[in-house]
Amino acid sequence: DAGVIQSPRHEVTEMGQEVTLRCKPISGHDYLFWYRQTMMRGLELLIYFNNNVPIDDSGMPEDRFSAKMPNASFSTLKIQPSEPRDSAVYFCASSFQAGGLNQETQYFGPGTRLLVL
Amino acid sequence: KQEVTQIPAALSVPEGENLVLNCSFTDSAIYNLQWFRQDPGKGLTSLLLIQSSQREQTSGRLNASLDKSSGRSTLYIAASQPGDSATYLCAVNPGNQFYFGTGTSLTVIP
Repeated sequence: DAGVIQSPRHEVTEMGQEVTLRCKPISGHDYLFWYRQTMMRGLELLIYFNNNVPIDDSGMPEDRFSAKMPNASFSTLKIQPSEPRDSAVYFCASSFQAGGLNQETQYFGPGTRLLVL
Repeated sequence: KQEVTQIPAALSVPEGENLVLNCSFTDSAIYNLQWFRQDPGKGLTSLLLIQSSQREQTSGRLNASLDKSSGRSTLYIAASQPGDSATYLCAVNPGNQFYFGTGTSLTVIP
C-alpha cells in the first residue's frame, strides 16, 4: 500500500482565498483524522471520521474550516476564507479499529505545508 | 482536558550513548499511549504502542514504559545512532481522541 496520500504537499496562498487540502487514507481503514501542527500549539486534532461519518469536530477552530468525507477513499479539509494564522502543517491520518479507538495505531500522511500570506 | 508534556524539549548526545525521553500526562484514565517519530518535513511514524494494561513495550533498541497511575511514560533508546536524530512525540488516548505532546528534538552526534 502507498500509505496515506495527501495533496498538495505545499500550498502558498493569499489571505481571503479558499484552500482545499486532500487526503486518501489507506485502503480498508475505517477511521480518518485531520490534524494541524504548529510550533506554538504542537499537534492538534481537528476532526475525525468513522466510516465516512464525522464523529468529533470539536477541534475545528471556527466556521471557516470544514471537512468532508464523501467516500471511504477520499477526504477534504477546506478553509474559506484563509487567514495568515492558518499557516501550519496539516496532517491526515488513518487507522483500522476492530473494536474502537483503543487498540490500533494511526498511520500519518506526509502533511501539507500551508502558508497564508 | 488531557495535557501532555515532554521533557526535555531538545537533547543532544554523542553516538553510542543510552538516553531517556520523558512524557507526562495529567489524566491517568487512558486506553493507550504511543510514541511516534517525526523526521523533518515528514509525517509521524509510530514506534511503540502501550496498552493501559501493559507496563512496557520493546522494539529493537527502543523500550517504552508506562506508569499510568503517576501519569508518566519513558522512551529508552539504547546505543544511540545518528539515524535516531528526529523529533519524538508521545500521544495518549483517553478513548475519544489522541492528545500529543510537543515533542523532544533529538540530535545524535557522530
